[in-house]
Amino acid sequence: GQNIDQPTEMTATEGAIVQINCTYQTSGFNGLFWYQQHAGEAPTFLSYNVLDGLEEKGRFSSFLSRSKGYSYLLLKELQMKDSASYLCAVVDSNYQLIWGAGTKLIIKP
Amino acid sequence: GAVVSQHPSWVICKSGTSVKIECRSLDFQATTMFWYRQFPKQSLMLMATSNEGSKATYEQGVEKDKFLINHASLTLSTLTVTSAHPEDSSFYICSANGEESYNEQFFGPGTRLTVL
Repeated sequence: GQNIDQPTEMTATEGAIVQINCTYQTSGFNGLFWYQQHAGEAPTFLSYNVLDGLEEKGRFSSFLSRSKGYSYLLLKELQMKDSASYLCAVVDSNYQLIWGAGTKLIIKP
Repeated sequence: GAVVSQHPSWVICKSGTSVKIECRSLDFQATTMFWYRQFPKQSLMLMATSNEGSKATYEQGVEKDKFLINHASLTLSTLTVTSAHPEDSSFYICSANGEESYNEQFFGPGTRLTVL
């Protein structure tokens, strides 16, 4: 079967750095997305990785290792507004999006 | 960027009534649209994939006669929840593929449905 694993919840301090991991087992791989979702709102796009390595975009970076079936989202200089759920999603061989359950990130002052 | 709108944002209805939710791509043509349902504290659950001009493809366990999907144009898809019941209360979100090649999905703002 297809499976996406990410931690259910994480807590971090304002101004700190946090890394949210995602491991996947899917039938084929055509890329991995990270989305941010605030409570009661729809997801918004953060990043897309299809090649191994680190993609940096401002305070957010995303890393992919296809051989390990592993990705992480790195958030630097955390702000209170970063409190949200972070969803990992993989595009499989049929170009279908397989969603993880999301990681709820709680930022404390 | 690509913008997707949904209407209504929220709806409260009595059990047994039908509710229609519209999903529009405002500045691009969406050949494929997706309908998701999200229960509190859970991840997105894909309900169906909607292709313009053809019948929707429903995920296993989703009743196609209860959740009617119409994708009549390249900018509009509708989801009708027929004979809604309290267990249908959920957050319904549509998305559409962007015009880039990597299958990014742009999400509508979602519709909160509460069935009394």
